[in-house]
Amino acid sequence: SAVISQKPSRDICQRGTSLTIQCQVDSQVTMMFWYRQQPGQSLTLIATANQGSEATYESGFVIDKFPISRPNLTFSTLTVSNMSPEDSSIYLCSVGELAGIDGYTFGSGTRLTVV
Amino acid sequence: AQSVSQHNHHVILSEAASLELGCNYSYGGTVNLFWYVQYPGQHLQLLLKYFSGDPLVKGIKGFEAEFIKSKFSFNLRKPSVQWSDTAEYFCAVIPLGTYKYIFGTGTRLKVLA
Repeated sequence: SAVISQKPSRDICQRGTSLTIQCQVDSQVTMMFWYRQQPGQSLTLIATANQGSEATYESGFVIDKFPISRPNLTFSTLTVSNMSPEDSSIYLCSVGELAGIDGYTFGSGTRLTVV
Repeated sequence: AQSVSQHNHHVILSEAASLELGCNYSYGGTVNLFWYVQYPGQHLQLLLKYFSGDPLVKGIKGFEAEFIKSKFSFNLRKPSVQWSDTAEYFCAVIPLGTYKYIFGTGTRLKVLA
């Protein structure tokens, strides 16, 4: 299965600033996703990163707040913009093939604290 | 709305005890079912999956899960847990025809040596 390198692993940021998280995969993958895992809660899908086009956002998430890029089949970035303490969370990159029958692979996550 | 429920949020067991973690989903159609595990400090890893065939599936490290369609359940079991099973366990489903996981809230398992 694919190996994901996600950076940074953690960061502490000031409110009002932005952080860009990178997800690098060691092989080409069809599907790339970004999740948020808030303390004590489940993983919530933010968006599907589409190669060469705009990401597909889930309800409650908007491009202005979470812009996503996916320039090729092995790399994606998620930016958390104009951060507030409520954005403190773990952000995860996930990859896989269509329909996820074999399961998806997850990165180790970025632990973000906004102060 | 589609959802996945894991009723046990925290479970504490002694080594060699048997484990069963509940997972129920709300979706009327066909689903693919998964259990993921996240060991302390590590990323999520696939434990086992079901999409058709024998409803009793076996995964890694001695885990198994049984799909009971009539109960919309996919409970995870292990006959004898080890201290190294201490982790957080997530149940997830993908409704057929989609590609997006719906995750449960997770169960934190602590195994006492």
